[in-house]
Amino acid sequence: GAVVSQHPSWVICKSGTSVKIECRSLDFQATTMFWYRQFPKQSLMLMATSNEGSKATYEQGVEKDKFLINHASLTLSTLTVTSAHPEDSSFYICSAGLSSEQYFGPGTRLTVT
Amino acid sequence: GQQLNQSPQSMFIQEGEDVSMNCTSSSIFNTWLWYKQEPGEGPVLLIALYKAGELTSNGRLTAQFGITRKDSFLNISASIPSDVGIYFCAGRYGGSQGNLIFGKGTKLSVKP
Repeated sequence: GAVVSQHPSWVICKSGTSVKIECRSLDFQATTMFWYRQFPKQSLMLMATSNEGSKATYEQGVEKDKFLINHASLTLSTLTVTSAHPEDSSFYICSAGLSSEQYFGPGTRLTVT
Repeated sequence: GQQLNQSPQSMFIQEGEDVSMNCTSSSIFNTWLWYKQEPGEGPVLLIALYKAGELTSNGRLTAQFGITRKDSFLNISASIPSDVGIYFCAGRYGGSQGNLIFGKGTKLSVKP
């Protein structure tokens, strides 16, 4: 149980385009989902907390207009990287809250050329 | 802000050896979680701890929630090659869905 999926697992896009990443909790409902960014050999950096039916809470320094988060249902949250630039290239990981634990998706590798 | 100090940063051990890593903080946490991450994958939850002093095992893994609520350790007994990966501790100081603070990770390498 407690399986979280992400789609796509990797994506390459051109600079200036937008990319949408989906995060789904497959066998449980998650009121809260989290989006992280991870640079090579670094720890996870929380970008935002997403609550179903309400606006996401962004961490300091994360541009909400650039990283659009939508949590339309208890099993789906999406992260859209708008007008992507090469510096947005990273590993994006979502997690879903279940009770007091967080279960992570497999991550999405974004490369912006 | 809240910070976790995780050590060691990396470990190179022989198969069969025991491993110990820990996380400390100057702040009190009410939940400690330990995760393992393999290259190109998301972190996988290994053990969750909710009470000060709690000692929990998951197979060859044992973790404890420090009595002061400011630290936690993870032990791996009789390591095997598939234990290779990066282990992260994570602490929470708020409610059940409060944000997690992650340590910087311990990279474990196991020599067969």
